[in-house]
Amino acid sequence: AQSVSQHNHHVILSEAASLELGCNYSYGGTVNLFWYVQYPGQHLQLLLKYFSGDPLVKGIKGFEAEFIKSKFSFNLRKPSVQWSDTAEYFCAVRPDSSYKLIFGSGTRLLVRP
Amino acid sequence: GAVVSQHPSWVICKSGTSVKIECRSLDFQATTMFWYRQFPKQSLMLMATSNEGSKATYEQGVEKDKFLINHASLTLSTLTVTSAHPEDSSFYICSARDWGREVAGYNEQFFGPGTRLTVL
Repeated sequence: AQSVSQHNHHVILSEAASLELGCNYSYGGTVNLFWYVQYPGQHLQLLLKYFSGDPLVKGIKGFEAEFIKSKFSFNLRKPSVQWSDTAEYFCAVRPDSSYKLIFGSGTRLLVRP
Repeated sequence: GAVVSQHPSWVICKSGTSVKIECRSLDFQATTMFWYRQFPKQSLMLMATSNEGSKATYEQGVEKDKFLINHASLTLSTLTVTSAHPEDSSFYICSARDWGREVAGYNEQFFGPGTRLTVL
């Protein structure tokens, strides 16, 4: 079965620290990859997505992610986090041409000022 | 950006009653909407795909007679939890696919703010 794993359930960082959140998926075919963010009390918002081409994808608010096909990974990074980045982050995979999104369990990030 | 609303944002009901949750796309047409369920500290699990004017497609293990979905217009889908029980308590999230925003054959999904259902 297709699945998405986010191994870090909780991450606590100080402002200006660098961030990397792991995401691995299990599916052998073509995939589209997404990172969503959910700020406290708000709805899910798309941070960035990968469909094809350059495996290093840049998103909003200084986030980027790198697709490494050989590792089935799509890790999210930000060089310097801010207090306002405190939120829950979800990795999602869209297998083949399906419109279904398969989500990881999420990572709660707390950034201390 | 595209906006999706849900109503109500939270609801408390007695066991055995039915609860209806609305999902609306406010500034775009959505022929397809999706209903997810999120348990605490867990991922969003797709329950069903709602298509305007036709029957919903349910994921394996989701009882279609318990979770009734109606998608009567291009901007509204409803999820009715029938004969709710405490184990149905959860956070229900809908998303709507915007036909007008296609990238590489993919129409982006926009998510609603969710509805927290508590069944006593």
